[in-house]
Amino acid sequence: EIVLTQSPATLSLSPGERATLSCRASQSISNYLAWYQQKPGQAPRLLIYDASNRATGIPARFSGSGSGTDFTLTISSLEPEDFAVYYCQQRSNRLFGPGTKVDIK
Amino acid sequence: QVQLQESGPGLVKPSQTLSLTCTVSGGSISSGGYYWNWIRQHPGKGLEWIGYIYYTGNTDYNPSLKSRVSISVDTSKNQFSLNLISVTAADAAVYFCARDVWGSYPFEIWGQGTKVTVSS
Repeated sequence: EIVLTQSPATLSLSPGERATLSCRASQSISNYLAWYQQKPGQAPRLLIYDASNRATGIPARFSGSGSGTDFTLTISSLEPEDFAVYYCQQRSNRLFGPGTKVDIK
Repeated sequence: QVQLQESGPGLVKPSQTLSLTCTVSGGSISSGGYYWNWIRQHPGKGLEWIGYIYYTGNTDYNPSLKSRVSISVDTSKNQFSLNLISVTAADAAVYFCARDVWGSYPFEIWGQGTKVTVSS
């Protein structure tokens, strides 16, 4: 079974800073990786699919990269509304990663 | 635009059956092209895919839940439903319905979620 790990578990940053989140697969998943954002009390929101494609309506400050086993979600300049938990998810068995919480420093 | 809304009891007794419904608005399940999923999130935890149904009735389930779960569709009501039998405290979670294109990912549209508590 392919497992996803995310690092760091928590990322403490200030608005305006750059956020770099990592997702690693236990074996190659090609580019079949999605990223979601979840705020407290809300459903997850799709940000990125196929590793680097932004979903409809997602701001350009969100970008994804990677293939194989190593993937990155980058938020170029954090806005106040970006502080949330971010999950990666792979296609083959629909498993999600454990999440990275981005909180305000 | 397409919207999803979960409904069902917020409290289920241990050993009984959890039944939830997702109502789709702004689009028709029977038009095809999409898979209709159930996903849950245990308190303070990550996300767990439960299963999907296609409008034809074709289903797929998480192997860890397969013996207890069934998903059905009612195209006349534009709804799909989740049944989870023999629930325990471990089934207490927020349950989301969601739509995807490939039967696997990405989950592009989500309902707001409904919290289910398991208690006698």
